[in-house]
Amino acid sequence: KNEVEQSPQNLTAQEGEFITINCSYSVGISALHWLQQHPGGGIVSLFMLSSGKKKHGRLIATINIQEKHSSLHITASHPRDSAVYICAVVGGGSNYKLTFGKGTLLTVNP
Amino acid sequence: NAGVMQNPRHLVRRRGQEARLRCSPMKGHSHVYWYRQLPEEGLKFMVYLQKENIIDESGMPKERFSAEFPKEGPSILRIQQVVRGDSAAYFCASSPLLGQGLRETQYFGPGTRLLVL
Repeated sequence: KNEVEQSPQNLTAQEGEFITINCSYSVGISALHWLQQHPGGGIVSLFMLSSGKKKHGRLIATINIQEKHSSLHITASHPRDSAVYICAVVGGGSNYKLTFGKGTLLTVNP
Repeated sequence: NAGVMQNPRHLVRRRGQEARLRCSPMKGHSHVYWYRQLPEEGLKFMVYLQKENIIDESGMPKERFSAEFPKEGPSILRIQQVVRGDSAAYFCASSPLLGQGLRETQYFGPGTRLLVL
């Protein structure tokens, strides 16, 4: 079983819809990252959080340490949001080693 | 402030050749991490380096792979005698100096796509 599980694996939405991507992890962590990767492209760090909630533009990330769960929300989704969203955790006593989920492929149709 | 730079962006090698992947961290960053993304798989940690030191290479295959981050110049990931299974995207990330117990965002480069024929 992967230490970091994301759901759904694939998500298709219509422009304007509210999107939620979930991440569950099984180890104790010190921080959780949400990353964005466009097809054939590089990786952009969206958020790093260890508690509570962070917001940047139309993106919101939340984490519940007790539940070992995080969510990434996209409000008013747009076709340019189409990408793979990856959850990664820093844990196991390390303050740097990232363990990644397999990613969620989001497609937003116009 | 330029971001993390990697070159080449695409690299084609025949089986048995050597591949050298370069990573220049963001200005002011002294920590470099290498990750591998195999086709249809998630990213996996390979190695963590500081200038002139390998801190953690627990994710590196035991043979043919090596990494360095010299005092001057970029970090290099070197793959000797490449095989088809080495075909993947290799990403480098950098972060600033970590204080004790502190965590810092890692900034990723655009990746090098290695294709072994």
